[in-house]
Amino acid sequence: GQQVMQIPQYQHVQEGEDFTTYCNSSTTLSNIQWYKQRPGGHPVFLIQLVKSGEVKKQKRLTFQFGEAKKNSSLHITATQTTDVGTYFCAGPTGANSKLTFGKGITLSVRP
Amino acid sequence: NAGVTQTPKFRVLKTGQSMTLLCAQDMNHEYMYWYRQDPGMGLRLIHYSVGEGTTAKGEVPDGYNVSRLKKQNFLLGLESAAPSQTSVYFCASSPPQILTSVQYFGPGTRLTVT
Repeated sequence: GQQVMQIPQYQHVQEGEDFTTYCNSSTTLSNIQWYKQRPGGHPVFLIQLVKSGEVKKQKRLTFQFGEAKKNSSLHITATQTTDVGTYFCAGPTGANSKLTFGKGITLSVRP
Repeated sequence: NAGVTQTPKFRVLKTGQSMTLLCAQDMNHEYMYWYRQDPGMGLRLIHYSVGEGTTAKGEVPDGYNVSRLKKQNFLLGLESAAPSQTSVYFCASSPPQILTSVQYFGPGTRLTVT
């Protein structure tokens, strides 16, 4: 079946450093979504990418969809302690708006 | 709007006991989902529903049943709880669209089975 992979599962950075993480799919995706889950919280939608090579920015966060629509990246510029949490990517699985989530990457930021 | 709400927030069960988790949404969404989240495993789909009166199995349906008698509610039942069902359960909803819709998650239910 379709797999959405995020490796590694944990990353630790010093506050102010940049951070980049990747998401890879075993199949071509029609779109990809990113969610953020704060510690003790629930996943919250961040962004959806649809077009090949698409780049979207949200303040210090930059999201990119690969040209082949099989991978995506999230880049955070100058991390802050508020960036702490788990970031999930998700791609559609068949019909009915089902999503396959990656296992997520948990980011910790040292002040 | 409250969005997606879940009841209860915490629960401890003994092996073999049963319980029902309630999910409610006030966004008039057609689609609703139940996930479980375990350390290192991400979010795994248990069951989902594409409309009132319809349900379907997800990735890990064994040991769970669901019902969608009203559009705004999606119930997840555990008939005979097992320690392997200790997890955090999230409900989500989304409107139907041609492309995959954004999913809106509830706050979660933390279940411990002893």
